[in-house]
Amino acid sequence: DIQLTQSPSSLSASVGDRVTITCRASHSISSYLNWYQQKPGKAPKLLIYAASSLQSGVPSRFSGSGSGTDFTLTISSLQPEDFVTYYCQQSYSSPPTFGGGTKVEIK
Amino acid sequence: QVQLQESGPGLVKPSETLSLSCTVSGGSITSYSWSWIRQTPGRGLEWIGHIYTTGSTNYNPSLKSRVTISVDTSKNQLSLKLDSVTAADTAVYYCARRIYSSGYSYWFDPWGQGTLVTVSS
Repeated sequence: DIQLTQSPSSLSASVGDRVTITCRASHSISSYLNWYQQKPGKAPKLLIYAASSLQSGVPSRFSGSGSGTDFTLTISSLQPEDFVTYYCQQSYSSPPTFGGGTKVEIK
Repeated sequence: QVQLQESGPGLVKPSETLSLSCTVSGGSITSYSWSWIRQTPGRGLEWIGHIYTTGSTNYNPSLKSRVTISVDTSKNQLSLKLDSVTAADTAVYYCARRIYSSGYSYWFDPWGQGTLVTVSS
């Protein structure tokens, strides 16, 4: 199975900060990487697909980049509703796997 | 827009079969592929399996011997059966639509709200 390692596992930031979350794959996965946001007690919600494509309805402050083994999710200016948990997921090989998550907390 | 809602027992005894349903509204279940995914604090998000529009299935090798995913088109429902459960199967179970793009590119959207299943005697 392809392992996805997210870093950091948690981070503290303030409203308005620019934040970057990294997802590293154990093998090259081209651009077959998606990002999800999960609020407490809710299901994950798709933010970014195919590494850099913004899902419809998702604010433009979210962006994704990367290919191969290294990917990033960037939030350009943190808003209060963004202090939740983010996951990456690869679709390159079966089984699809998820990263361990990054929790963004208020500083 | 498509919405998904899981349902089923919240408590299952060890060695018994976990059975969940996922009702799809806002669209035909035959138009897309569907997945089950579970989440635990210890193992995080774990993909269980897909069922494709053809009716064929693909399961996580770690669960393959115990899992069955099927579709009831008359009810627009997806179902999950997991046999011989143990405490390790305690999790929040989600159904999700699998959106395929091209090549190996696919993603899960939307997801149901999830249902907690506890395995305990």
